Amino acid sequence: QLVLTQSPSASASLGASVKLTCILSTGHISYAIAWHQQQPGKGPRFLMRVNSDGGHTKGDGIPDRFSGSSSGAERYLTISSLQSEDEADYYCQTWGTGIHVVFGGGTRLTVL
Amino acid sequence: EVQLVESGGGLVQPGGSLRLSCAASGFTFNNHEMDWVRQTPGKGLEWVSFISSRSSTMYYADSVKGRFTISRDNARNSLYLQMNSLRAEDTAVYYCVRENSDGNYFDSWGQGTLVTVSS
Repeated sequence: QLVLTQSPSASASLGASVKLTCILSTGHISYAIAWHQQQPGKGPRFLMRVNSDGGHTKGDGIPDRFSGSSSGAERYLTISSLQSEDEADYYCQTWGTGIHVVFGGGTRLTVL
Repeated sequence: EVQLVESGGGLVQPGGSLRLSCAASGFTFNNHEMDWVRQTPGKGLEWVSFISSRSSTMYYADSVKGRFTISRDNARNSLYLQMNSLRAEDTAVYYCVRENSDGNYFDSWGQGTLVTVSS
């Protein structure tokens, strides 16, 4: 079964860096994922696609502070030089045959 | 600029029906597959339904299968979701989303429309 696992919460200080993790279920470690950001009271926004080899394709207007990488079944979103507006929920998403789209449970990032 | 604007949400009684619309602009609509995704207040994202670019294929989440129908009108650059036999658990913000042509991931989101099912 295709499942994405995310930690419910994360925190980091203003100006620091944070690395969020999305874990693919066994048997699906070659899958690409997408990261989406949802700021409080707003709809989600696409950030980037991250492939199994760590290559990533960002959405229009996404700052260089946001980057993606991979290791095995884990897909990462790294945010550097944290700003207050980065405080948001971050969701990973993948897709596959038979189960069209799957979302992770989301990580709530708090900027201290 | 890609724009997806949903409409049609509102308050409806259990067992009732509602039709959501999504007006797309800023891209070639008939080149993209489209989906509906919903979010229960305070909770995570749930995929609801998919439609291929020419309406040849549709998929539904088990939770809405048999009650919801997705459709599109490429001439009007519009996506629709007909929701019948609505239940309290269908209460959510519904988002219209565009799939990237390079994979089934969402690269553009609408602002959402709230559907409340309550007596």
